[in-house]
Amino acid sequence: NAGVTQTPKFQVLKTGQSMTLQCAQDMNHEYMSWYRQDPGMGLRLIHYSVGAGITDQGEVPNGYNVSRSTTEDFPLRLLSAAPSQTSVYFCASKKTGLAGGGPYTTDTQYFGPGTRLTVL
Amino acid sequence: AQKVTQAQTEISVVEKEDVTLDCVYETRDTTYYLFWYKQPPSGELVFLIRRNSFDEQNEISGRYSWNFQKSTSSFNFTITASQVVDSAVYFCALSEIDTNAGKSTFGDGTTLTVKP
Repeated sequence: NAGVTQTPKFQVLKTGQSMTLQCAQDMNHEYMSWYRQDPGMGLRLIHYSVGAGITDQGEVPNGYNVSRSTTEDFPLRLLSAAPSQTSVYFCASKKTGLAGGGPYTTDTQYFGPGTRLTVL
Repeated sequence: AQKVTQAQTEISVVEKEDVTLDCVYETRDTTYYLFWYKQPPSGELVFLIRRNSFDEQNEISGRYSWNFQKSTSSFNFTITASQVVDSAVYFCALSEIDTNAGKSTFGDGTTLTVKP
């Protein structure tokens, strides 16, 4: 059971380049999310997904795209990298359950090891 | 909107001292989870504890203890007899249960330095 894995661990991009940060989990968790962590700040939610085929925006979605074609994978795409996107990126997953009209969380969020991205 | 405030940006103590990290939160929800995570210098995020809003019992785990007070919207974390290995950034987080798909909000973190 590998938990949440992220690749790459480190990446340097030039302004305007695009790339995809990979995230995978093997715990069959429905909920997955991407955060960025900037110096002296907590984690800010970029995008999240409550299940395959369903994604939504978080607090800071601009400049990023996501898709969720499988339960296991949740890649984050930077369309045209900018120096402001220099950050550490964390992927996370958690189990959810259904109640009433929508999903609810019942469990703890587990994080991947992070990807340190530098945009020059 | 929910908010988590960790007013202490940095704390420095000498080994074996007790230290308390403060966390104050705001939410309109009546049901929610509160968390503490540890981020050591290696950078990974390590889950420490989850508490749901129905359970105001304090919890102790070894040298760690947590004090949840719903009346003051606080969820403070105490390390007893601190050790150098406790040096890390500690994050408090709030997660809704029934709304907004359980999105989490994190505080800005408290950097704890334990000196030998």
